[in-house]
Amino acid sequence: NAGVMQNPRHLVRRRGQEARLRCSPMKGHSHVYWYRQLPEEGLKFMVYLQKENIIDESGMPKERFSAEFPKEGPSILRIQQVVRGDSAAYFCASSPWTAQETQYFGPGTRLLVL
Amino acid sequence: AQSVTQPDIHITVSEGASLELRCNYSYGATPYLFWYVQSPGQGLQLLLKYFSGDTLVQGIKGFEAEFKRSQSSFNLRKPSVHWSDAAEYFCAVGAFSQNNDMRFGAGTRLTVKP
Repeated sequence: NAGVMQNPRHLVRRRGQEARLRCSPMKGHSHVYWYRQLPEEGLKFMVYLQKENIIDESGMPKERFSAEFPKEGPSILRIQQVVRGDSAAYFCASSPWTAQETQYFGPGTRLLVL
Repeated sequence: AQSVTQPDIHITVSEGASLELRCNYSYGATPYLFWYVQSPGQGLQLLLKYFSGDTLVQGIKGFEAEFKRSQSSFNLRKPSVHWSDAAEYFCAVGAFSQNNDMRFGAGTRLTVKP
């Protein structure tokens, strides 16, 4: 029973490029959450999605960031025109629809913007 | 909006000694309370959570936490620390309905001396 999977685990981009981070939730989980962890800080909530719906994007930067969770396939966090300040660890979590409070985290994608 | 404070950025204890990590939260009602552990380069693993019932919660790896409403605290304890407990520990508070109001503390880094 595989846990939450994220890929790539490490991603290096130059300023201005696009970053795509993928998250496959645990089997049977229909809710996905994205968090960002800056160095020496805790996790900051970004966005909460169900299949084909964005439920809560209150933590998403207004520009350059978008997320989707299509009917088929993984959830994608997309960062356009990356800047150095986007360098962080991005974690995905998933939960069953009946228990939003039980979030299982993936290993994270560490993004480095040069 | 809820918030979480972990007053100790870094704690060092000797192997076999007892451990207490502090967590204070701010929230209008009784929230969900969590402790997560993060090993270097890894995702977060849930140690324990509390929402209602017995205020002393048992978790995995021998950890426990006590909810004290009067002090708005949810401190994590372990009677005897093992070298493998060295990691970053995050307290989180959450409310889950339409939105995902999950807030994490900045973390406490635990070092274990031999």
